[in-house]
Amino acid sequence: DAKTTQPPSMDCAEGRAANLPCNHSTISGNEYVYWYRQIHSQGPQYIIHGLKNNETNEMASLIITEDRKSSTLILPHATLRDTAVYYCIVRVEVLGATNKLIFGTGTLLAVQP
Amino acid sequence: GAVVSQHPSRVICKSGTSVKIECRSLDFQATTMFWYRQFPKQSLMLMATSNEGSKATYEQGVEKDKFLINHASLTLSTLTVTSAHPEDSSFYICSARGDRVEFSGNTIYFGEGSWLTVV
Repeated sequence: DAKTTQPPSMDCAEGRAANLPCNHSTISGNEYVYWYRQIHSQGPQYIIHGLKNNETNEMASLIITEDRKSSTLILPHATLRDTAVYYCIVRVEVLGATNKLIFGTGTLLAVQP
Repeated sequence: GAVVSQHPSRVICKSGTSVKIECRSLDFQATTMFWYRQFPKQSLMLMATSNEGSKATYEQGVEKDKFLINHASLTLSTLTVTSAHPEDSSFYICSARGDRVEFSGNTIYFGEGSWLTVV
């Protein structure tokens, strides 16, 4: 699986948008970009994923560059409960294959009051 | 989203004993489940992949005889830590991949995690 690079930590003011970057310059054509977050002492929570188009759901938006070498997760109105480690993962999706998730070090997002 | 449940959430055992952690997919069938371990302030490390009805596939460096994985049904996988030592104390997390008709619905969902303390 391709590796990702994320900043180790970021701060964001409560109520403002949080923009979390991720570099995945060696991503291949059949790899999706997945975002998970882990609040302290809990299992990771699925946020969003995409292949090449921008995606939006009730939690966040995912912006993927045209060359697919980087992406940004946007939390439109961060709250204190969004404080967590955010993981950007690229994952092969091949029908019938294992398609496992390999975690990097992630970004610790601290939402400040 | 889909629900994955782990039990127990916390367990303390004595050195040399074995402890079993269960992982259940509550509202979907999961032919594939994954087990991770996480030490404090570190990222999740994939230990093994279990497929229903077959032997688990272990990641490099993970002892298969120490971490026994059984995936006997489409909704249950178990991890047994055998002959536990204090260095096995960790946060163990399972995840399950939903089997959906849509290919893009191949999302993996995680359990709440299980804290193991070996004394």
